[in-house]
Amino acid sequence: DIQMTQSPSSLSASVGDRVTITCRASQSISSYLNWYQQKPGKAPKLLIFAASSLQSGVPSRFSGSGSGTDFTLTITSLQPEDFATYYCQQSYGTPRTFGQGTKVEIK
Amino acid sequence: EVQLVESGGGLVQPGGSLRLSCAASGFTFSSYEMNWVRQAPGKGLEWVSYISSSGSTIYYADSVKGRFTISRDNAKNSLYLQMNSLRAEDTAVYYCTRELMRFLGYWGQGTLVTVSS
Repeated sequence: DIQMTQSPSSLSASVGDRVTITCRASQSISSYLNWYQQKPGKAPKLLIFAASSLQSGVPSRFSGSGSGTDFTLTITSLQPEDFATYYCQQSYGTPRTFGQGTKVEIK
Repeated sequence: EVQLVESGGGLVQPGGSLRLSCAASGFTFSSYEMNWVRQAPGKGLEWVSYISSSGSTIYYADSVKGRFTISRDNAKNSLYLQMNSLRAEDTAVYYCTRELMRFLGYWGQGTLVTVSS
């Protein structure tokens, strides 16, 4: 199975900060990497697919990059509604494994 | 508007069975691959199972293989997850998700399954 490792597991940031979350795959997954945002008590929401494509309706302050084994989700100018947990997921192989999540908290 | 509505969750004893359903609307259900994803209380997301648009291709996580069965009825716009031999570690919110081009673009609100005596 392909293992997905996110870092950090949690971070504290202020409104307006630039935030970067990293996801590393245990083997090359090309660009088959998706990012989801989850708020407490809610279903996850797709942010980025295929490593760098922004899902329709998602603000442009979210961006994704990377290929192979190393990927990054960046939030420029963090907004109050962005405090949530973020998950990466590989869709290269089965099982479609998720990272353990990164919780973005208010500093 | 795309809608995915799960039902069938509840409290069940260890070793018991439960059948989850997901009613889909707002899109041509028969054209889309579907998945179940679960989340144990306070934990991360775990992919559970996948079914192709026709139902001909199915995959399972090792943790549920041999105990869970995914199926779909395209005439009824419905996805199912039959869960047998349930264990405490199967306790989770189960989400029905729509897949397109290998990403999960739509998620239901989830249904809670609690396995406890």
